[in-house]
Amino acid sequence: GQNIDQPTEMTATEGAIVQINCTYQTSGFNGLFWYQQHAGEAPTFLSYNVLDGLEEKGRFSSFLSRSKGYSYLLLKELQMKDSASYLCAVQNTGFQKLVFGTGTRLLVSP
Amino acid sequence: DADVTQTPRNRITKTGKRIMLECSQTKGHDRMYWYRQDPGLGLRLIYYSFDVKDINKGEISDGYSVSRQAQAKFSLSLESAIPNQTALYFCATSDNQGYTEAFFGQGTRLTVV
Repeated sequence: GQNIDQPTEMTATEGAIVQINCTYQTSGFNGLFWYQQHAGEAPTFLSYNVLDGLEEKGRFSSFLSRSKGYSYLLLKELQMKDSASYLCAVQNTGFQKLVFGTGTRLLVSP
Repeated sequence: DADVTQTPRNRITKTGKRIMLECSQTKGHDRMYWYRQDPGLGLRLIYYSFDVKDINKGEISDGYSVSRQAQAKFSLSLESAIPNQTALYFCATSDNQGYTEAFFGQGTRLTVV
């Protein structure tokens, strides 16, 4: 089975940096995705990590440690539009399907 | 036009009614998925299909059935809707490489009264 944990909610200030953590336990692991989802809308892809280390994409970065079953999403220079839920999803071996965590709702205030 | 299209976008139905949610995609992907999303529970996989002849149950398939009519079409049916099936439903697609992201439809908000 799989277990994916994320904080339920976080708050931050415009212009700041925030780190959203995700820990997972899985019997097989291919990679880890991060998605952004605004309320009532479809999730949209942010990043994918398959190897240990940091992947940087503009204001967003994602880190993976396979040995620790740990990932984080780092958002820099926060903007109001970054207020959304951030979903961590693990892709397992074999079935190649995605299993999602419950998501972290981020509220960015002025 | 959206790459992954779901119809209807919103639906209110009565307990016991049969309802079908439809999904079509223009991505040319072989893999298609149905998820439901409930507050506090995240996205949970209902069914998935890796090609037209391959249908698999996800973690919460009870009360649901699916049909893969073509590579581009994947429908989800609730044979006899019940109120706890009220949720936001998403269809998604991905390619056969498996290492690329899933693309989601805009969702269907279903209310069972």
